[in-house]
Amino acid sequence: DQQVKQNSPSLSVQEGRISILNCDYTNSMFDYFLWYKKYPAEGPTFLISISSIKDKNEDGRFTVFLNKSAKHLSLHIVPSQPGDSAVYFCAAGYSNYKLTFGKGTLLTVNP
Amino acid sequence: ETGVTQTPRHLVMGMTNKKSLKCEQHLGHNAMYWYKQSAKKPLELMFVYNFKEQTENNSVPSRFSPECPNSSHLFLHLHTLQPEDSALYLCASSQVTGGGSYNSPLHFGNGTRLTVT
Repeated sequence: DQQVKQNSPSLSVQEGRISILNCDYTNSMFDYFLWYKKYPAEGPTFLISISSIKDKNEDGRFTVFLNKSAKHLSLHIVPSQPGDSAVYFCAAGYSNYKLTFGKGTLLTVNP
Repeated sequence: ETGVTQTPRHLVMGMTNKKSLKCEQHLGHNAMYWYKQSAKKPLELMFVYNFKEQTENNSVPSRFSPECPNSSHLFLHLHTLQPEDSALYLCASSQVTGGGSYNSPLHFGNGTRLTVT
């Protein structure tokens, strides 16, 4: 049973536009969420996180939104750049328990 | 440069071979992890070590045997693997114990691409 779901395996956007990556979860105990980015032949790198006490966290071009009632979070990248092309993983956890990852979404930003 | 180094980057082994994967973290973290990434599947946690002690074995078959001699080094010993064990094996570390938290995210190495023939 997948507790963290990224239903879009891939997403393609034009350079300069907004990229929106979505993630849904089923376990209401999750109290923090993270996004990781992975380039081919490299390990995932931490991008941004959000605690369940917040509904938004922003870091430069990256903003994560959390809707607890819908058990949904999204990552917005504005403006998108070709170097943002990568696989993005959503992950969720609680009380320092092990993280649960989604399957990932491949983002392609076209010049 | 990543603070977590994994060797080798690629490994091809037969089902009767014995090999080991190595991981070293240069971040002063207290917890280290092995993850498996198979095609079209989420990252799967295999083992967790906190302060050199194994705290989690996520129902991993005994043909995978971890070793953590100190808080900076982690090994994964492999023997009599199956072709379905072919995957990307990722090592990670974090400052605090547990699975990687909100303010202590996991730091991953670049992985070892394992092919079992």
